[in-house]
Amino acid sequence: RKEVEQDPGPFNVPEGATVAFNCTYSNSASQSFFWYRQDCRKEPKLLMSVYSSGNEDGRFTAQLNRASQYISLLIRDSKLSDSATYLCVVNKGSLNTDKLIFGTGTRLQVFP
Amino acid sequence: GAGVSQSPSNKVTEKGKDVELRCDPISGHTALYWYRQSLGQGLEFLIYFQGNSAPDKSGLPSDRFSAERTGGSVSTLTIQRTQQEDSAVYLCASSPISSHTEHTEQYFGPGTRLTVT
Repeated sequence: RKEVEQDPGPFNVPEGATVAFNCTYSNSASQSFFWYRQDCRKEPKLLMSVYSSGNEDGRFTAQLNRASQYISLLIRDSKLSDSATYLCVVNKGSLNTDKLIFGTGTRLQVFP
Repeated sequence: GAGVSQSPSNKVTEKGKDVELRCDPISGHTALYWYRQSLGQGLEFLIYFQGNSAPDKSGLPSDRFSAERTGGSVSTLTIQRTQQEDSAVYLCASSPISSHTEHTEQYFGPGTRLTVT
């Protein structure tokens, strides 16, 4: 089983739509969770951290369910510029490393 | 300010040759990471530096891979006797602190695209 699993997509949605991505992780000791965004042939960039109580940043809402080891990202009012691959990222949960484990990503394509 | 830089941006090499990839982290960042990303795949962790030491080398795929960091700054990833399966984008990232309890953002460089022919 992969340490971080995501639906690869692609999710094809019209502008203005709401879309949600899910992610599961296997290491119950993980403490830090993130969503990164990666544009085609570019490096990943942090979109948002995910906090236990859930958090929102503009049109983006992230949720964490520790009991189910599940993370979600909701994007409201999708824009064309949201088209990218969204990477679910979890830290390894070891005292000796800050190693991040990346999911393979969910591709989003927003069309006019 | 300047972000993470990597060189070269592209490298084409023949099978069996050695290559050296360079990463310049953001000034003052103590933690440095190497990852690789093969076509259509997720990021694969290779090695992590805290200062000049590497407490986690668990991701290095074989003993042909090595990395070092000097002066708590620049890092080089060396691949000896390259194989075709080494072809990938090699990404470097840095972060200002490293603690398993902190939400530490990693800032990525643009990567080096390695092609082994």
